[in-house]
Amino acid sequence: ETGVTQSPTHLIKTRGQQVTLRCSSQSGHNTVSWYQQALGQGPQFIFQYYREEENGRGNFPPRFSGLQFPNYSSELNVNALELDDSALYLCASSQVGVNTEAFFGQGTRLTVV
Amino acid sequence: AQSVAQPEDQVNVAEGNPLTVKCTYSVSGNPYLFWYVQYPNRGLQFLLKYITGDNLVKGSYGFEAEFNKSQTSFHLKKPSALVSDSALYFCAVRDMWGGSQGNLIFGKGTKLSVKP
Repeated sequence: ETGVTQSPTHLIKTRGQQVTLRCSSQSGHNTVSWYQQALGQGPQFIFQYYREEENGRGNFPPRFSGLQFPNYSSELNVNALELDDSALYLCASSQVGVNTEAFFGQGTRLTVV
Repeated sequence: AQSVAQPEDQVNVAEGNPLTVKCTYSVSGNPYLFWYVQYPNRGLQFLLKYITGDNLVKGSYGFEAEFNKSQTSFHLKKPSALVSDSALYFCAVRDMWGGSQGNLIFGKGTKLSVKP
């Protein structure tokens, strides 16, 4: 196990609703990233937080937003849910630096109906 | 733009045989390459990385990967496959130009099936 925990593990929401996913980083890690993994695809980068500030963003609309807290835990918020938002959402924590590996949580499976 | 490609959707091998899962990359500058494995309904587990140095990188669970700059490849290998190696394997490259502290760009994944 990586020490990165995500909650909840599964979630069903209705189109148009809002959702908050949570992630607890591995001890000692100061960077958290969120990825969306659609069925049959590789993970796609949503955004990254470092020292409680967004530090890079992938090709996702503003209704995807996040927070990082002083204890390095993090939230992913998605507003106005769409059917295509159904996916596995993965949180990854790491030390800052390009040569460090990221450690992933088990993911939150979001289904939008 | 930086990218990785995994040309095989699925690889089938017999237990005890060597396995190779292929990955090619396209980057500007030096590549930072990673392999991850994903078991059903689980997150990704780190296997190994290439940053610099020896072209043969050893990782977890007996896996290794060979970095080949001239062929822009980073193939994952294991000398003797186990049934328990059956999973989804992802190759990834660090995005050095995306403005973050280097997020990962993943391939589409290769499903490895090891039969007894």
